[in-house]
Amino acid sequence: EDKVVQSPLSLVVHEGDTVTLNCSYEVTNFRSLLWYKQEKKAPTFLFMLTSSGIEKKSGRLSSILDKKELFSILNITATQTGDSAVYLCAVEPYSGGGADGLTFGKGTHLIIQP
Amino acid sequence: GAVVSQHPSRVICKSGTSVKIECRSLDFQATTMFWYRQFPKQSLMLMATSNEGSKATYEQGVEKDKFLINHASLTLSTLTVTSAHPEDSSFYICSALLDRGETQYFGPGTRLLVL
Repeated sequence: EDKVVQSPLSLVVHEGDTVTLNCSYEVTNFRSLLWYKQEKKAPTFLFMLTSSGIEKKSGRLSSILDKKELFSILNITATQTGDSAVYLCAVEPYSGGGADGLTFGKGTHLIIQP
Repeated sequence: GAVVSQHPSRVICKSGTSVKIECRSLDFQATTMFWYRQFPKQSLMLMATSNEGSKATYEQGVEKDKFLINHASLTLSTLTVTSAHPEDSSFYICSALLDRGETQYFGPGTRLLVL
C-alpha cells in the first residue's frame, strides 16, 4: 500500500521566516511526487517532481526530490500571510497502463503570523 | 491551466436520499477522472478512477453500489451518492487528467451535508 507521511503536521511562524516542509513516501512503482496548496477549497498545483536532485522553483517556493532516500522538501522563503494554507504532498504510482489516482499525505497546516 | 468545474458546490439533503455530483472538464477532454473524498482536517482519499466508456475502478473499502460513477463523455463524470447517510457528509473533489504526463486538475469540490 502506498504511503505518504508529512511533517510537521502544523507549523506557526512569523511573516518573513523561511519554512521547510517535509514529505516521505513509500510507493510500489514511483512515477511522480506532487505538492499542492489547499486553502478553503480544492488543492491548487504547485510542483511535480520526477527526478532526484533537480530543484524546481516558483517565486519564493522551491522543492526538491530525493528518490534514494524517498523524500521531498518544500521550501518557502520570506513567508507572507497569504502563504497560510495546508500544503499537501502526494505520490503518483506508475501503473504501466491507465492513469492512477494520487495518494496524499495528511498535509502540513502552515500559519503565518503578521 | 485546464479548468475543471463541479456542480453543485454545496448540497444539503435528508438521510436516505440520493445526491448526484457532476464533474466537468471545461476546456479539454479527459479520458480519466478521479473522485476523492476529504473529511474535516484530513487528507484527500482516492475513492475511484473513472474512465470514459468503461466501468469505474473503486479503491478498497469504497462501496461501488453506494457511490455510483458514470463517465458518459470525455468531459463529464458524475458521482451519485445513493441512500445518503450522515456519515457520508464530506467534501467530494474530482480531478481530471488531460493526458499522461500531465498533472491532475482539480475541481473546486462539493460539500455534502446529510441531515
